[in-house]
Amino acid sequence: AQSVTQLDSHVSVSEGTPVLLRCNYSSSYSPSLFWYVQHPNKGLQLLLKYTSAATLVKGINGFEAEFKKSETSFHLTKPSAHMSDAAEYFCVVSDGGGSYIPTFGRGTSLIVHP
Amino acid sequence: DAGVIQSPRHEVTEMGQEVTLRCKPISGHDYLFWYRQTMMRGLELLIYFNNNVPIDDSGMPEDRFSAKMPNASFSTLKIQPSEPRDSAVYFCASSPQTGIDTQYFGPGTRLTVL
Repeated sequence: AQSVTQLDSHVSVSEGTPVLLRCNYSSSYSPSLFWYVQHPNKGLQLLLKYTSAATLVKGINGFEAEFKKSETSFHLTKPSAHMSDAAEYFCVVSDGGGSYIPTFGRGTSLIVHP
Repeated sequence: DAGVIQSPRHEVTEMGQEVTLRCKPISGHDYLFWYRQTMMRGLELLIYFNNNVPIDDSGMPEDRFSAKMPNASFSTLKIQPSEPRDSAVYFCASSPQTGIDTQYFGPGTRLTVL
């Protein structure tokens, strides 16, 4: 069985400050983990993914995430927020346990203040 | 490639009417997913296909919902009869091979049932 928990429904930061979006997962197998971003009135777009290679994964637009097996976490970070980062972010786990079908978190809304 | 194409982008209908949503996946992708997104329930997987065959429709809320994939380049999601609680954004996504691959989302169809 697999599950994912996004620990914050909303995160508010000022432009130029660091971003941290938290995600914990549960998996019975070696998971693949993803972060997707959804801008207002748009479809979801892949930010980055982890598939058992390097534990620190770099994505688009300066985002990165670190897979920590001991903590079952896959937190998303960015050193300096930009106004254009304001969006909904989804953490996703897929553990290949039979169906390989991903499970989406409830999402974290990132608000960026000028 | 133009990406995943969905039509219509917006649909407003009256309760009791039949609604058909359409999706054209990315060429060469073997998996197709239908999702529903609401504020209350987040992103829900309704059904997915592998090589045009429905694999898991356990997320389909009621018998009023049905989905087909007559060929590799076209899928429909039908609601008959529609109800106000079906109002949501419906996304189609396709994936190259398995669920551990990146999913490519369409722009969504915003359905409003009056």
